[in-house]
Amino acid sequence: AQSVTQLGSHVSVSEGALVLLRCNYSSSVPPYLFWYVQYPNQGLQLLLKYTSAATLVKGINGFEAEFKKSETSFHLTKPSAHMSDAAEYFCAVTNTGGFKTIFGAGTRLFVKA
Amino acid sequence: KAGVTQTPRYLIKTRGQQVTLSCSPISGHRSVSWYQQTPGQGLQFLFEYFSETQRNKGNFPGRFSGRQFSNSRSEMNVSTLELGDSALYLCASSLMVRGGETQYFGPGTRLLVL
Repeated sequence: AQSVTQLGSHVSVSEGALVLLRCNYSSSVPPYLFWYVQYPNQGLQLLLKYTSAATLVKGINGFEAEFKKSETSFHLTKPSAHMSDAAEYFCAVTNTGGFKTIFGAGTRLFVKA
Repeated sequence: KAGVTQTPRYLIKTRGQQVTLSCSPISGHRSVSWYQQTPGQGLQFLFEYFSETQRNKGNFPGRFSGRQFSNSRSEMNVSTLELGDSALYLCASSLMVRGGETQYFGPGTRLLVL
């Protein structure tokens, strides 16, 4: 069975500081991994996804994530936080054989001025 | 290209009633997935339809059902509503010819059960 664990339900950073949101996954087969962002009262928007083409994946809004198979991790980073990055972030996993996406519990990012 | 649309956006029902939510996918997308989002349980997969067939189902009781029409529009029905069904219901569409393809989410329908 697949699962996703996001470490930290809340993360607070100062504007301009590094953003690091942690995600660990469990999958018995090679996974597809995703990061989504959700702004208040909106649906989810894809930030980036890993599909085995490259371990370092660049996404929108300056975010990137690195797939580390040995650590079963897919952490999301951004070098410099903006106030507009304040939102909830979800890590998700699916696999090549199925069409069911499993989401992590989410991490709410706060950005302080 | 128009995005995923969900109707209605907000809904208030009482316990015991039933509700039907609608989702129109992006043109050309044949896969529609439904998710329930609550503060306590997070985002949970309900089911996925592809070409009018349910391909995957999550761990929800039989009160939750869905269907997909030939134009790929999908409906989700919840019968005998319970207070715990209050949630944001999200629909996502995808080409999903193979697993792992990008899903595009609608804005959701917020259901309140009183």
